[in-house]
Amino acid sequence: GAGVSQTPSNKVTEKGKYVELRCDPISGHTALYWYRQSLGQGPEFLIYFQGTGAADDSGLPNDRFFAVRPEGSVSTLKIQRTERGDSAVYLCASSLSGTGTEAFFGQGTRLTVV
Amino acid sequence: AQSVSQHNHHVILSEAASLELGCNYSYGGTVNLFWYVQYPGQHLQLLLKYFSGDPLVKGIKGFEAEFIKSKFSFNLRKPSVQWSDTAEYFCAVNARNYGQNFVFGPGTRLSVLP
Repeated sequence: GAGVSQTPSNKVTEKGKYVELRCDPISGHTALYWYRQSLGQGPEFLIYFQGTGAADDSGLPNDRFFAVRPEGSVSTLKIQRTERGDSAVYLCASSLSGTGTEAFFGQGTRLTVV
Repeated sequence: AQSVSQHNHHVILSEAASLELGCNYSYGGTVNLFWYVQYPGQHLQLLLKYFSGDPLVKGIKGFEAEFIKSKFSFNLRKPSVQWSDTAEYFCAVNARNYGQNFVFGPGTRLSVLP
Protein backbone atom coordinates (compact mmCIF):
# COMPACT_ATOMS: atom_id res chain seq x y z
CA GLY A 1 0.00 0.00 0.00
CA ALA A 2 0.92 3.65 -0.17
CA GLY A 3 1.37 4.13 3.55
CA VAL A 4 1.65 2.29 6.84
CA SER A 5 -1.61 0.56 7.63
CA GLN A 6 -2.72 -0.44 11.11
CA THR A 7 -5.68 -2.55 12.09
CA PRO A 8 -7.95 -2.29 13.89
CA SER A 9 -8.22 1.46 14.24
CA ASN A 10 -10.02 1.04 17.55
CA LYS A 11 -10.07 -1.85 19.99
CA VAL A 12 -12.00 -2.10 23.21
CA THR A 13 -11.22 -5.08 25.39
CA GLU A 14 -11.88 -6.24 28.89
CA LYS A 15 -9.19 -6.31 31.52
CA GLY A 16 -7.34 -9.61 31.44
CA LYS A 17 -8.03 -10.37 27.79
CA TYR A 18 -5.48 -10.94 25.03
CA VAL A 19 -5.22 -8.56 22.06
CA GLU A 20 -3.33 -8.47 18.79
CA LEU A 21 -2.59 -5.30 16.87
CA ARG A 22 -1.48 -5.49 13.27
CA CYS A 23 0.86 -3.30 11.26
CA ASP A 24 1.37 -3.45 7.51
CA PRO A 25 4.44 -1.33 6.65
CA ILE A 26 5.35 0.40 3.43
CA SER A 27 6.48 -2.15 0.89
CA GLY A 28 10.26 -2.52 0.83
CA HIS A 29 10.86 -0.96 4.22
CA THR A 30 13.12 -3.20 6.25
CA ALA A 31 12.81 -1.31 9.53
CA LEU A 32 9.61 -1.39 11.57
CA TYR A 33 8.90 0.29 14.88
CA TRP A 34 6.16 0.08 17.48
CA TYR A 35 5.42 3.01 19.73
CA ARG A 36 2.81 3.76 22.37
CA GLN A 37 1.33 7.21 22.83
CA SER A 38 -0.68 8.28 25.82
CA LEU A 39 -2.78 11.43 25.86
CA GLY A 40 -0.65 14.57 25.99
CA GLN A 41 2.63 12.73 25.64
CA GLY A 42 5.09 11.95 22.90
CA PRO A 43 5.36 8.50 21.35
CA GLU A 44 7.16 6.05 23.62
CA PHE A 45 9.38 3.46 21.95
CA LEU A 46 8.44 -0.19 22.37
CA ILE A 47 10.32 -2.33 19.85
CA TYR A 48 12.28 -2.08 16.61
CA PHE A 49 12.60 -4.73 13.90
CA GLN A 50 15.22 -4.92 11.21
CA GLY A 51 13.89 -7.49 8.81
CA THR A 52 12.45 -10.43 10.72
CA GLY A 53 14.44 -9.95 13.90
CA ALA A 54 13.79 -7.70 16.85
CA ALA A 55 16.90 -5.52 16.88
CA ASP A 56 15.86 -3.63 19.99
CA ASP A 57 13.03 -4.61 22.33
CA SER A 58 14.22 -2.54 25.27
CA GLY A 59 11.05 -0.47 25.28
CA LEU A 60 8.63 -3.31 25.95
CA PRO A 61 7.29 -2.56 29.44
CA ASN A 62 7.04 -6.16 30.66
CA ASP A 63 6.68 -9.74 29.46
CA ARG A 64 2.97 -9.31 28.72
CA PHE A 65 4.02 -7.48 25.57
CA PHE A 66 5.43 -9.34 22.59
CA ALA A 67 5.80 -8.56 18.89
CA VAL A 68 6.63 -10.61 15.82
CA ARG A 69 7.46 -9.97 12.21
CA PRO A 70 7.85 -13.49 10.80
CA GLU A 71 8.32 -12.66 7.12
CA GLY A 72 9.94 -9.26 7.46
CA SER A 73 6.83 -7.38 6.42
CA VAL A 74 3.64 -7.42 8.50
CA SER A 75 4.11 -7.19 12.25
CA THR A 76 1.81 -8.07 15.10
CA LEU A 77 2.00 -6.60 18.58
CA LYS A 78 0.55 -8.97 21.15
CA ILE A 79 -0.55 -8.00 24.63
CA GLN A 80 -1.50 -10.66 27.15
CA ARG A 81 -3.61 -10.18 30.29
CA THR A 82 -4.38 -6.60 29.39
CA GLU A 83 -4.55 -4.00 32.14
CA ARG A 84 -6.31 -0.64 32.21
CA GLY A 85 -2.89 1.05 32.14
CA ASP A 86 -2.29 -0.45 28.69
CA SER A 87 -4.91 1.89 27.25
CA ALA A 88 -3.19 4.13 24.71
CA VAL A 89 -2.73 4.66 21.01
CA TYR A 90 -0.32 2.13 19.59
CA LEU A 91 1.63 3.48 16.65
CA CYS A 92 3.54 1.61 14.02
CA ALA A 93 6.16 3.16 11.78
CA SER A 94 8.43 1.90 9.04
CA SER A 95 11.54 3.25 7.43
CA LEU A 96 13.61 2.19 4.46
CA SER A 97 16.58 0.94 6.42
CA GLY A 98 16.64 2.29 9.97
CA THR A 99 19.06 4.95 11.19
CA GLY A 100 19.54 7.73 8.68
CA THR A 101 16.16 7.33 7.06
CA GLU A 102 12.89 8.91 8.07
CA ALA A 103 10.09 6.96 9.68
CA PHE A 104 6.58 6.92 8.25
CA PHE A 105 3.78 6.44 10.75
CA GLY A 106 0.43 4.73 10.55
CA GLN A 107 -2.80 6.11 11.96
CA GLY A 108 -2.47 4.04 15.08
CA THR A 109 -4.71 1.66 16.98
CA ARG A 110 -6.55 3.15 19.92
CA LEU A 111 -6.67 0.45 22.59
CA THR A 112 -9.08 0.87 25.46
CA VAL A 113 -9.04 -1.64 28.30
CA VAL A 114 -12.18 -1.54 30.41
CA ALA B 1 19.70 8.66 30.20
CA GLN B 2 19.34 9.99 26.70
CA SER B 3 16.34 12.25 26.30
CA VAL B 4 14.65 14.87 24.15
CA SER B 5 13.08 17.92 25.73
CA GLN B 6 10.74 20.50 24.30
CA HIS B 7 10.56 23.84 26.00
CA ASN B 8 6.89 24.61 25.70
CA HIS B 9 3.91 22.45 26.45
CA HIS B 10 1.33 24.75 24.82
CA VAL B 11 1.90 27.79 22.63
CA ILE B 12 -0.90 30.14 21.60
CA LEU B 13 -0.34 32.57 18.73
CA SER B 14 -2.36 34.79 16.51
CA GLU B 15 -2.23 34.33 12.76
CA ALA B 16 0.81 35.94 11.11
CA ALA B 17 2.84 35.76 14.32
CA SER B 18 6.29 34.20 14.17
CA LEU B 19 6.89 30.80 15.73
CA GLU B 20 9.85 29.21 17.42
CA LEU B 21 9.57 25.88 19.21
CA GLY B 22 12.53 24.71 21.21
CA CYS B 23 14.03 21.23 21.18
CA ASN B 24 17.08 19.99 23.05
CA TYR B 25 18.57 16.51 23.21
CA SER B 26 21.10 14.90 25.47
CA TYR B 27 22.87 12.54 23.06
CA GLY B 28 26.54 12.83 22.20
CA GLY B 29 28.00 11.89 18.86
CA THR B 30 26.27 11.83 15.52
CA VAL B 31 22.52 12.31 15.57
CA ASN B 32 19.73 12.55 13.05
CA LEU B 33 17.05 15.07 13.97
CA PHE B 34 13.42 15.33 13.00
CA TRP B 35 10.34 17.40 13.54
CA TYR B 36 7.01 15.65 13.17
CA VAL B 37 3.56 17.24 13.20
CA GLN B 38 0.28 15.68 14.21
CA TYR B 39 -2.81 17.54 13.02
CA PRO B 40 -6.03 16.85 14.93
CA GLY B 41 -7.25 13.36 14.12
CA GLN B 42 -4.36 12.59 11.80
CA HIS B 43 -1.21 10.52 11.97
CA LEU B 44 2.30 11.81 12.58
CA GLN B 45 3.80 13.43 9.50
CA LEU B 46 7.37 14.49 8.87
CA LEU B 47 7.91 18.26 8.70
CA LEU B 48 11.65 18.22 8.18
CA LYS B 49 14.81 16.30 8.96
CA TYR B 50 18.52 16.86 9.49
CA PHE B 51 21.11 14.21 8.75
CA SER B 52 24.22 16.20 7.86
CA GLY B 53 25.41 19.26 5.96
CA ASP B 54 23.80 22.70 6.16
CA PRO B 55 22.52 23.08 9.73
CA LEU B 56 19.60 25.18 8.53
CA VAL B 57 17.04 22.85 7.02
CA LYS B 58 13.84 23.74 5.27
CA GLY B 59 10.75 21.60 5.43
CA ILE B 60 7.22 21.59 4.18
CA LYS B 61 4.67 24.35 4.69
CA GLY B 62 7.25 27.07 5.27
CA PHE B 63 8.84 25.49 8.33
CA GLU B 64 12.56 25.48 8.96
CA ALA B 65 14.84 24.32 11.76
CA GLU B 66 18.37 25.06 12.81
CA PHE B 67 20.75 22.48 14.23
CA ILE B 68 23.18 24.01 16.72
CA LYS B 69 25.54 21.24 17.73
CA SER B 70 27.18 23.18 20.56
CA LYS B 71 23.81 23.74 22.17
CA PHE B 72 22.39 20.27 21.41
CA SER B 73 19.40 22.08 19.95
CA PHE B 74 17.15 21.78 16.91
CA ASN B 75 14.60 24.56 17.13
CA LEU B 76 11.68 24.79 14.74
CA ARG B 77 10.70 28.12 13.22
CA LYS B 78 8.11 29.62 10.93
CA PRO B 79 8.01 33.35 10.14
CA SER B 80 4.24 33.64 9.86
CA VAL B 81 1.85 31.01 11.20
CA GLN B 82 -1.59 30.20 9.85
CA TRP B 83 -4.68 28.86 11.55
CA SER B 84 -4.05 25.57 9.72
CA ASP B 85 -0.77 25.15 11.62
CA THR B 86 -2.74 24.31 14.75
CA ALA B 87 -1.37 20.90 15.71
CA GLU B 88 0.94 19.00 18.03
CA TYR B 89 4.64 19.22 17.17
CA PHE B 90 7.17 16.58 18.16
CA CYS B 91 10.93 16.72 18.01
CA ALA B 92 12.67 13.36 17.56
CA VAL B 93 16.24 12.08 17.60
CA ASN B 94 17.70 8.99 16.00
CA ALA B 95 21.27 8.07 16.92
CA ARG B 96 23.12 4.97 15.82
CA ASN B 97 25.20 4.86 18.99
CA TYR B 98 22.06 4.68 21.11
CA GLY B 99 20.10 2.04 19.28
CA GLN B 100 18.27 2.77 16.11
CA ASN B 101 14.89 3.79 17.39
CA PHE B 102 13.50 7.32 17.29
CA VAL B 103 13.26 9.05 20.66
CA PHE B 104 10.52 11.65 20.81
CA GLY B 105 10.09 14.72 22.94
CA PRO B 106 6.86 15.23 24.88
CA GLY B 107 5.42 17.49 22.19
CA THR B 108 4.30 21.11 21.98
CA ARG B 109 0.70 21.92 21.28
CA LEU B 110 0.34 24.94 19.00
CA SER B 111 -2.94 26.81 18.86
CA VAL B 112 -3.22 29.53 16.22
CA LEU B 113 -6.07 31.94 16.69
CA PRO B 114 -7.74 33.26 13.54
